[in-house]
Amino acid sequence: DSGVTQTPKHLITATGQRVTLRCSPRSGDLSVYWYQQSLDQGLQFLIQYYNGEERAKGNILERFSAQQFPDLHSELNLSSLELGDSALYFCASSVGGGGAKEKLFFGSGTQLSVL
Amino acid sequence: GENVEQHPSTLSVQEGDSAVIKCTYSDSASNYFPWYKQELGKGPQLIIDIRSNVGEKKDQRIAVTLNKTAKHFSLHITETQPEDSAVYFCAASQGTYKYIFGTGTRLKVLA
Repeated sequence: DSGVTQTPKHLITATGQRVTLRCSPRSGDLSVYWYQQSLDQGLQFLIQYYNGEERAKGNILERFSAQQFPDLHSELNLSSLELGDSALYFCASSVGGGGAKEKLFFGSGTQLSVL
Repeated sequence: GENVEQHPSTLSVQEGDSAVIKCTYSDSASNYFPWYKQELGKGPQLIIDIRSNVGEKKDQRIAVTLNKTAKHFSLHITETQPEDSAVYFCAASQGTYKYIFGTGTRLKVLA
């Protein structure tokens, strides 16, 4: 167990809808990262938050947004969902802001199915 | 752009044999190379990592080698066991948010 908690484990919704994925980082970790894993692709970095502030942005669509709260948990909001958004969404955390000596620990993921 | 190529995409070995997975990266500034194991229904789990100032690192049955000149690194698993069956991902990074992952290798260990 990595110590990173993600809820829900599974989410089934319809096109056009909006969903929220939740992540609690490991105790003491200040950074939260969101990744998308599609069927034929590896892990694609979406966004990083460090201590409540956006730190880095990857291939995140404008329909997606995230935030990190004072208690350091994070939420990823996906809106106007399309079939192609169906994927595994992972949250990861690290101790600091993303330095060369830090390691990334992943949660178990949320499987999103858009029908 | 930055890219990490990983081969093979699938690998089947007999229990007790060795398995080797290879990755090539494009960004010469990358200095940290972790390997993750993802079992069915679980998130990726860090199993070993290596930094650019080291050529080889070993942890029990798992070892990683790095060739900075050629920009490639490899995962070696010896004496494979059925519980080694999983998807393995390599990654290259200059810092955590800049992890570039390979596309994964599905390893199947046949009993």
